[in-house]
This record gives sequence, C-alpha cells and structure tokens, in this order.
Amino acid sequence: AQTVTQSQPEMSVQEAETVTLSCTYDTSESNYYLFWYKQPPSRQMILVIRQEAYKQQNATENRFSVNFQKAAKSFSLKISDSQLGDTAMYFCAFSLTNAGKSTFGDGTTLTVKP
Amino acid sequence: EAGVAQSPRYKIIEKRQSVAFWCNPISGHATLYWYQQILGQGPKLLIQFQNNGVVDDSQLPKDRFSAERLKGVDSTLKIQPAKLEDSAVYLCASSPWDRGSAGANVLTFGAGSRLTVL
Repeated sequence: AQTVTQSQPEMSVQEAETVTLSCTYDTSESNYYLFWYKQPPSRQMILVIRQEAYKQQNATENRFSVNFQKAAKSFSLKISDSQLGDTAMYFCAFSLTNAGKSTFGDGTTLTVKP
Repeated sequence: EAGVAQSPRYKIIEKRQSVAFWCNPISGHATLYWYQQILGQGPKLLIQFQNNGVVDDSQLPKDRFSAERLKGVDSTLKIQPAKLEDSAVYLCASSPWDRGSAGANVLTFGAGSRLTVL
C-alpha cells in the first residue's frame, strides 16, 4: 500500500516571501502521479499542480513549482511571492497511473501573514 | 461547466440514526469517489465507482456504510446506524476515465457534506 507523509502540520510565511512545503511518499511502483491540492478555509479542494513520475522535469504553474526527487521519494511544493489568498490547507497526494484514486497526506496548514 | 454538486452541506444527527448524502459529478466523468475527511486529517477513500460499478470499496465499513451509483451518474452514500466517530466531512469527487492520462487521476471535488453525530 502507498503512504504519503507531510511532516509539517503548520507553517506560516510573510506576504511576498517564498515557502516550501514537504512531502514524502512510499511505493514500490514506478508509474504514478503526484499532486498538490489546496483546500481554503470552508471552500472546496482544488488542484494546484501535478507531476508525472516518468518526467524528470519539475512541474511549474505560475508561482507554484515542485521539487520532485524520485529516488528519495520526495515531492515538495514551493510557493513564490506568497499572497494572502494562498492561506489554506495543502495536501500532497499520490495516484498509481491506472488506479484513478489518490492517497492523501494529512496536510499542511499554511498561513500567509500581511 | 458545472462542478461537483453535493447535498446536504450540513447534517446533525444523534448516534444510531441514519443519514444519506447525495452527489452529482461533473457531466461525462465516469469515475466517482467518496472520501471521508476527519478534522485535522487528509481525505480517506471510502469507495470508488467506475460508471455504475464498484472499483474499490475495501475501506468502506460495510456493516454501516453503503453507497450506490445508479445509471452511472449521481451517487448516494448512506450511514446506518451512525456512530460518534463518523463525524467528518464527506467529500465526493469525480474524474474522467482516460487510462494513462494524468487527467484521469485529477480529482474535482465537491464542497463536501459535514456530518456531526451527537
């Protein structure tokens, strides 16, 4: 079974600064996807960024980028130029290529301070 | 494009009572999921449907939880009888079915149904 671990329950960052959220996972499979989802307070969860395991290049989406280290089974999320709207709970998720379903970590609560 | 619809948004019941949650996925999404999110934890998969068939229900407490997806569109999750530890947010999500595509594994979530069992 796959597991996802997020070791930082809470983090805070000043507006306009950069923050990195950590995630490690455990699997014996080689074909999978990794995701970061954002869950703002009292709002629904949305996809932030995704990474295909077969791609060596790290995914980027505007201010969001990942550092994917396949051998280390590490998948961190970097948020640049943090904005107040980035305040949310962030979940790292793992999905086998043909499974559809995702396994989630327990999340990191990020607070962006003005 | 309409999102994933869920109802009710909030429900408070006494233990041993029953409750049902409804979900309507994004049009055309073949795969539907029910997740349970206990406060302070990540979502845990309860059941996955592919069209109207069950793909994975290994984590569904079948003595009290049941789910169906008639006609491969909307779905209902039922809890009977409820226990205190069932207090959680029940999230419905859907995804397209396109094997090998990352899009197939991207989940679109509804707003969730928050259950409080007293």
